[in-house]
Amino acid sequence: DAMVIQNPRYQVTQFGKPVTLSCSQTLNHNVMYWYQQKSSQAPKLLFHYYDKDFNNEADTPDNFQSRRPNTSFCFLDIRSPGLGDAAMYLCATSRERAAANEKLFFGSGTQLSVL
Amino acid sequence: KQEVTQIPAALSVPEGENLVLNCSFTDSAIYNLQWFRQDPGKGLTSLLLIQSSQREQTSGRLNASLDKSSGRSTLYIAASQPGDSATYLCALVTGTASKLTFGTGTRLQVTL
Repeated sequence: DAMVIQNPRYQVTQFGKPVTLSCSQTLNHNVMYWYQQKSSQAPKLLFHYYDKDFNNEADTPDNFQSRRPNTSFCFLDIRSPGLGDAAMYLCATSRERAAANEKLFFGSGTQLSVL
Repeated sequence: KQEVTQIPAALSVPEGENLVLNCSFTDSAIYNLQWFRQDPGKGLTSLLLIQSSQREQTSGRLNASLDKSSGRSTLYIAASQPGDSATYLCALVTGTASKLTFGTGTRLQVTL
């Protein structure tokens, strides 16, 4: 009964070869987030969508892009992956933005390796 | 800028012990605080959410408290079990940007 689904579970790409990670949700939530988590580090927010409104974090490299074609799907595109982009990429959703009772729901993540 | 610290970074306890995980933060203007569990190589599972107006939440053997004035939260785990072994992260929503700021987590090992 997974509600936030990420594919693939593991992704291997070559240095400089574009790669796309996908996330889908069955919760009909308005907000979708992409986080990057490197080994033994805290997850770091890359960007989020509030409906179709894209919100980039100031320190997210231009190499990272995102698309949200509809409510259910959101994609993370890495245009030219470098070795430093190897990480776990986590997708999350919430019904609305910041509010006291808003919980985030996470997918299982995609572990990206760059060779 | 919100900074979230979790101490200790790692903890090992024998089965059956009660334990406390700590989370401290620098900006008390939060909407809520959440505790998550992360198993190795997996995503995050939400355990408890404490709204800014609340002081604690309980779910089964877990109890989370929030003291905004001191910038601290604790996660209490009663009668620990080997299945509780995981990394526990606290995270806070601050400001208007729906941004969840995470701590680096406490890696818990419960031994037989």
